[in-house]
Amino acid sequence: DTEVTQTPKHLVMGMTNKKSLKCEQHMGHRAMYWYKQKAKKPPELMFVYSYEKLSINESVPSRFSPECPNSSLLNLHLHALQPEDSALYLCASSQGSLAQETQYFGPGTRLLVL
Amino acid sequence: ILNVEQSPQSLHVQEGDSTNFTCSFPSSNFYALHWYRWETAKSPEALFVMTLNGDEKKKGRISATLNTKEGYSYLYIKGSQPEDSATYLCAFITGTASKLTFGTGTRLQVTL
Repeated sequence: DTEVTQTPKHLVMGMTNKKSLKCEQHMGHRAMYWYKQKAKKPPELMFVYSYEKLSINESVPSRFSPECPNSSLLNLHLHALQPEDSALYLCASSQGSLAQETQYFGPGTRLLVL
Repeated sequence: ILNVEQSPQSLHVQEGDSTNFTCSFPSSNFYALHWYRWETAKSPEALFVMTLNGDEKKKGRISATLNTKEGYSYLYIKGSQPEDSATYLCAFITGTASKLTFGTGTRLQVTL
């Protein structure tokens, strides 16, 4: 199984809502990532978890809160988002967190904040 | 801020044509370069990870070369097919960071 799954596929939320994005992999990978992609821009790294510990936070606003409950699961909790946070949110995983390791991506969650 | 540039931005070729595009990156402190293929509404798919100057990698009709001294990588597709239509992204990693910095991609469309 070389698949990274993400739910939901689409999400519409108001600025006062709280929602969560979910990412799952069963490849035994120990590093997991959240990326954000705005339209016509490249994906940008948000967070990296390595062995279930947060290892990189790219100065992401606190309205985005990542969580890694176990080695297969990665969540992104959303609260009080702004319309400019509307984007495609991609999850990825890799065997370890070394730079030369292949990252396997999910299909993304398309988020619209109204 | 690392600057990873890809050219052309988009490309339209006929079935059977061979094509290539470029990824340019800073040549100092190079660590690795990744190539991804991303079809619309699907997950980005890893093609290659390249780490050594002069590396050449091949996967079917797709191949890639790497020149770390001058800071570029080429991706070649031989005999393009409609199923090759996708955005091709490169992503660069320096020795001081463990994160991928993506280029804006080359969007390839192959028509019959």
